[in-house]
Amino acid sequence: GAVVSQHPSRVICKSGTSVKIECRSLDFQATTMFWYRQFPKQSLMLMATSNEGSKATYEQGVEKDKFLINHASLTLSTLTVTSAHPEDSSFYICSATSGTDVYEQYFGPGTRLTVT
Amino acid sequence: GENVEQHPSTLSVQEGDSAVIKCTYSDSASNYFPWYKQELGKRPQLIIDIRSNVGEKKDQRIAVTLNKTAKHFSLHITETQPEDSAVYFCAASSARQLTFGSGTQLTVLP
Repeated sequence: GAVVSQHPSRVICKSGTSVKIECRSLDFQATTMFWYRQFPKQSLMLMATSNEGSKATYEQGVEKDKFLINHASLTLSTLTVTSAHPEDSSFYICSATSGTDVYEQYFGPGTRLTVT
Repeated sequence: GENVEQHPSTLSVQEGDSAVIKCTYSDSASNYFPWYKQELGKRPQLIIDIRSNVGEKKDQRIAVTLNKTAKHFSLHITETQPEDSAVYFCAASSARQLTFGSGTQLTVLP
């Protein structure tokens, strides 16, 4: 149980375009979802926290107008990188918590974004 | 906010030896301390976690200790195997958000 999927697993886009990443909880309802960014050889950095039906809470330094997060249902959150630039190239990972344990986070497999 | 420091950044051990990774945290309100193993290009995999009402937890070859007074926790892996080679991250959670340490590249030499 507690499976989280992400789509796509890899995406290459041109500078200036937008790309959407989906995060789904497959067998549970996710009360809260988190989006992380991980640059090569670095740690996971929290970008934002989202609760279903509410606006996402962004971490300091993360531009909310550039990284649009929508958490429209208890099983789906999306991250849209708008006007992507090469410096946005990174590994984006989502996670989710269920109602039974508010601490343990279930991670998606990640999305490798390359902006050319 | 929370700050988590992790040491060492790299660790090489001979197969069969033990490995210890240490983390400190700053927020005394943190009460959940998971450890993750991450292989290249993969998601972080939870290997063990400990909550603030427990001082030590063990699962086969893996153990974690927590000292809330000193605000530090450690991961111990015994009888290491080559498949233990990966990057290990500690994390601390307050207000349900995880703050990760900087990671330790563990290499187990056959």
